[in-house]
Formats: sequence, structure tokens, C-alpha cells
Amino acid sequence: NAGVTQTPKFQVLKTGQSMTLQCAQDMNHEYMSWYRQDPGMGLRLIHYSVGAGITDQGEVPNGYNVSRSTTEDFPLRLLSAAPSQTSVYFCASSPTGGGFGANVLTFGAGSRLTVL
Amino acid sequence: DAKTTQPNSMESNEEEPVHLPCNHSTISGTDYIHWYRQLPSQGPEYVIHGLTSNVNNRMASLAIAEDRKSSTLILHRATLRDAAVYYCILRDHSGGSNYKLTFGKGTLLTVNP
Repeated sequence: NAGVTQTPKFQVLKTGQSMTLQCAQDMNHEYMSWYRQDPGMGLRLIHYSVGAGITDQGEVPNGYNVSRSTTEDFPLRLLSAAPSQTSVYFCASSPTGGGFGANVLTFGAGSRLTVL
Repeated sequence: DAKTTQPNSMESNEEEPVHLPCNHSTISGTDYIHWYRQLPSQGPEYVIHGLTSNVNNRMASLAIAEDRKSSTLILHRATLRDAAVYYCILRDHSGGSNYKLTFGKGTLLTVNP
């Protein structure tokens, strides 16, 4: 049981390049989400999904795309990277059944992205 | 809009108890109170959660005010490994629009040897 796995751990991009941050979980969690964390800031929600085929925007969705074709995977795509997207990205998942509020979030270890 | 309010930082000495406060004056009846912590250079990890009653686990205790407008995370004997940012968040039992979970800046706990 690996939990939430994020790849890559580190990535350097040039402005305008595209890339995908991968997130996979093996706990059969319906809810998955992406956060970014900037120095001295809390976690800000980018996008989330409550199941395969269902995604929605968080508080800072601009510049990012997501899709959820399987329960296990929730990739985050940067179509044209900008220096403002330099950040540490965290993926998190949780069950939704049985009462959402009581379910615990499990986070990945993070992906550190630098855009030059 | 932030739903919880925490002090920016707190300091403690090793082996002493630590009480980390969180105010959530607009909490609804279906909101669970969750605490997570983030160790340096790591992803956040779950600490404890509760609805109305005080809760204990191997990591910490959660004391919830009778009116539920505030709660306190209690670390009974702080160790150097407890130095982290502690986040208090609310999770709506009904889900829905509250799938947009928001984390504030949390409380940076420093533990002195």
C-alpha cells in the first residue's frame, strides 16, 4: 500500500514549456485534489475531483488543467509554464463515502517545480 | 474566505505540553474539525479530527469547546520532531460545495531543546 505517489519530485522548466505532474493513489479514494504551496503561504487548492470523470476548480485554477479518467490517477497539466507557477505541488486524496467530513486526507510527498 | 483562525507561530520547550488553538466561529453543525501537520520539506500528514466530543489518539488530543466555535490541539509532551506547521481545517460532513477544502497558513510550532 503505497498511499499517494507523486512524480516527478523535482522539475525545472523553461517559460512556455508544458508538462504533467502525476498523482496516483492505491487506496480506492474517490476524492483527489491538487494544492500548491508558495514560501510562507498555506496550501491553495488548484483543482479537485470527486470521482472518475468529475473535476472542478479550486481557488487558483488558472494555468492548470486536470482530468480524471480512472479512480487511481489525477494528473495536473501545465500547458504553458510561467515563472509564477514555480511552487511546490501536493496531491491529496480521501474517501467520500460514509460521511465526507470524517474522512482523512492523505497527502503525497510533493513535487517541486521551478519555471525559469 | 478563511473558515479557521490560528496564531501564526508558537514556541514550546521539549518535554512540555503544547496547546495549539483554533477559532472557527462560523462552524456549521455538520463540520468536522481536522488537524494536520507539515514537517519541514514534507507533505502534510493527518493528526486528529473530531465533531463534538474530545478525542485522543497516539499523537495528540483534541479538545472541542462546548459551542464548537473553537478547539485546541494538545501535544502532551512536545519533542523536537513535533516542530512543524499545524493546520486546523473544517470538513463538511455533507460534502457538496465544501469539497473545496481550504488551508490557511497554520501555526508554526518551534520546539526548543
